[in-house]
Amino acid sequence: SQTIHQWPATLVQPVGSPLSLECTVEGTSNPNLYWYRQAAGRGLQLLFYSVGIGQISSEVPQNLSASRPQDRQFILSSKKLLLSDSGFYLCAWSISGSSGELFFGEGSRLTVL
Amino acid sequence: SQQGEEDPQALSIQEGENATMNCSYKTSINNLQWYRQNSGRGLVHLILIRSNEREKHSGRLRVTLDTSKKSSSLLITASRAADTASYFCATAGTGRRALTFGSGTRLQVQP
Repeated sequence: SQTIHQWPATLVQPVGSPLSLECTVEGTSNPNLYWYRQAAGRGLQLLFYSVGIGQISSEVPQNLSASRPQDRQFILSSKKLLLSDSGFYLCAWSISGSSGELFFGEGSRLTVL
Repeated sequence: SQQGEEDPQALSIQEGENATMNCSYKTSINNLQWYRQNSGRGLVHLILIRSNEREKHSGRLRVTLDTSKKSSSLLITASRAADTASYFCATAGTGRRALTFGSGTRLQVQP
């Protein structure tokens, strides 16, 4: 069966520090991969999605970047965090080529101080 | 702006009552999906309804879709305290590869 792992679960970082959140999927090949951000009590904002290795689409201009170095690995990064980067980051995957359901990780809560 | 907007933002009911949440969206869609999120956790897929469907059932869930009004509703019948969570609609727009989520309805079911 397919599983998705996302880490770290929580982190507190100072403004200006770098960020790396990692997500891996097991049990499937060539998944679509997504990073969403959720502000407190709000809906999800799509940040990045990827349909294949090295293929990244960005939805909004921001202080973040994403990379897909391997088929089932998706990394969210920042060189210098801003206060506004605080939030709950969710990685998700879906079957390639579908507009079907998303399978979410458990999320990473980032607090920038 | 969010493609989907849920209504109400918050809903509090007693166990055994039915809960109805509504979702409106703006553009053409291939399908509409509903997800559930327990506090501090990831989202879990509940049900998907395609643009050519009008109603779908899954256990205690009933979803309707009105593409002429660009709206959907999620009905949870005979609610339980364990149904307490936030519920989000998400749309798969035509020509888009990613889902767009609404702002969610926070459901509280009192035991």
